[in-house]
This record gives sequence, C-alpha cells and structure tokens, in this order.
Amino acid sequence: KNEVEQSPQNLTAQEGEFITINCSYSVGISALHWLQQHPGGGIVSLFMLSSGKKKHGRLIATINIQEKHSSLHITASHPRDSAVYICAVAAGGGADGLTFGKGTHLIIQP
Amino acid sequence: DGGITQSPKYLFRKEGQNVTLSCEQNLNHDAMYWYRQDPGQGLRLIYYSQIVNDFQKGDIAEGYSVSREKKESFPLTVTSAQKNPTAFYLCASSVTGRETQYFGPGTRLLVL
Repeated sequence: KNEVEQSPQNLTAQEGEFITINCSYSVGISALHWLQQHPGGGIVSLFMLSSGKKKHGRLIATINIQEKHSSLHITASHPRDSAVYICAVAAGGGADGLTFGKGTHLIIQP
Repeated sequence: DGGITQSPKYLFRKEGQNVTLSCEQNLNHDAMYWYRQDPGQGLRLIYYSQIVNDFQKGDIAEGYSVSREKKESFPLTVTSAQKNPTAFYLCASSVTGRETQYFGPGTRLLVL
C-alpha cells in the first residue's frame, strides 16, 4: 500500500511570498494529483501529472518519478490561496481509487 | 451544468439508526467513489464502483453499504454497525481508465 507524506502540515506566509508544498510517496504510481480544499469542504482538482511539470496561472506542479516526489508551488501568494492542499496518488489505471496525504493547511496573511 | 451533487449537506444520525447519503452525477462517468475524511487524516476510500451493478470494498468498508443500480447514482448507507460514523463524506467520479476524479461538495454526518 502506498504511503503519501506531505510537508509542511501547516504553513503561514505573508501575501506575495513564494510557497512550496512537498509530497513524497513510497510505491510507484501512474499519476499524482494536487487538490485544493476550502473551508466549506469542497475539493477542486488542481493538477494531475505523471511526469515533468505543469503550470496554471500562479500554480506550478512538478514531479520526479525516480525520486517519488512532487512539489506544488504558488507564486505571488494571495489571501484567497488560503486552503488545504492535498496530494493524492493513483496506482495502475486509478480506477480503484486514490491514496491521499493528510494535507497542508496554508494561510496567507495580508 | 455537469457535476456531482451530494445531499444532504448535513445529516444527523441517532444511535442504532441507518442513514443513506446521496450522490448523483451527470458527467456520464462510469466510475464512482466514496471517501471519508476525519480531522487530521487523509481521505480514505470506503467503496468504489467501476460499472453499474458492480462495486468493490475500499480500505474502510466495514459498517457501510452501497448500491449502483444506475450509472448516475451511487448512494452510501451508513449502518448501525459503523461505530464511529461522525465524519465528512465525499463522493467522486471519473471516466474508467482515466484518473482525473471530480468531487462532490460533501456531506457532514453527525451522531446525536
């Protein structure tokens, strides 16, 4: 069974700072997801990646398959980025569900 | 608009009572999933279904039951055998063979 570890668990930063959240996993995967969960509980998928790097607006996600590690970066952080960011991995085709990290609680102060 | 709906948003259960959480999707996805979220823990898989009339147990299926009579619907019943049902429950769906999962807004279950 895959173990997914995220760091840090909690992160407080000032508006405008560059943010990095890390994720490592123990067993080879077919894809890795970065998700965002707001206080109301709803979850939004930010990225799904299996190699390299993806960028969407101020968000960048990278993955190193050999090292079993992924990072999520936020540039020019803003208070509206405050949320829980969750890393999840899929094995095989992913149809049998995801394995999740515990999440990183990010607070961006104005 | 395509998406996943869950109802109700909040649900209260009395001791010894079964309750059913609704999950409906109009994305034409074959696969559907139920996850449970507890404070300080990652989401955990309860049950999943890859096709109508078929489903499999996830990591924490004890005390739960599901059905998949229609492609659009995947209700979860929390039975009285689930001794610690208070949690946030999330439903998700995906196209079988692909891996992007789309999540519903969740149902928060509380025991009275």
